[in-house]
Amino acid sequence: AQKVTQAQTEISVVEKEDVTLDCVYETRDTTYYLFWYKQPPSGELVFLIRRNSFDEQNEISGRYSWNFQKSTSSFNFTITASQVVDSAVYFCALSEEGNNRLAFGKGNQVVVIP
Amino acid sequence: DTGVSQDPRHKITKRGQNVTFRCDPISEHNRLYWYRQTLGQGPEFLTYFQNEAQLEKSRLLSDRFSAERPKGSFSTLEIQRTEQGDSAMYLCASSLTDRGIYEQYFGPGTRLTVT
Repeated sequence: AQKVTQAQTEISVVEKEDVTLDCVYETRDTTYYLFWYKQPPSGELVFLIRRNSFDEQNEISGRYSWNFQKSTSSFNFTITASQVVDSAVYFCALSEEGNNRLAFGKGNQVVVIP
Repeated sequence: DTGVSQDPRHKITKRGQNVTFRCDPISEHNRLYWYRQTLGQGPEFLTYFQNEAQLEKSRLLSDRFSAERPKGSFSTLEIQRTEQGDSAMYLCASSLTDRGIYEQYFGPGTRLTVT
């Protein structure tokens, strides 16, 4: 069964600080897909990034970066130089090959203080 | 590019009434998903369609819930004899899946309050 754990619930940072969100996942599949979504106060889930299990290359996209480590089943997400507009709930999600549902973690509430 | 739209955005109903929600996916997307999100939780999968075929249903989808996608375009989710426990945000998402798994794009949701 697929499972995603996001341990931290609320994280407060001062503007321009970096914030890292932890995500640990469980799956029995060898092929799977990991995602990060952002849910601002307006409520709409916004897709941020996707990573395939067979591609462990870590990347940076603007102020976002992620660290995918299969050995520890972790898919952490970092926002560099946080801004007030980054205040939102961030969800990590997992989808297994042949199983189209997304399994979400409970989310991390990020509060960026100006 | 028009995103996923949902209607209504908010619905307040009395316990025991039936409600129906509509979702219009991104036009070229062949897959459509329904999720439910309660306060402080991540979305939970309910069901999904590939074109007009409903291919998977969660245990969360009791027999009071029914979903359709009659022409492979828009979808409806109906809840019969609503209960207070049905109060939640109902999210629709769509994706284009040719090979592999593609990211799902979500609509703004329908917030249901059962009084």
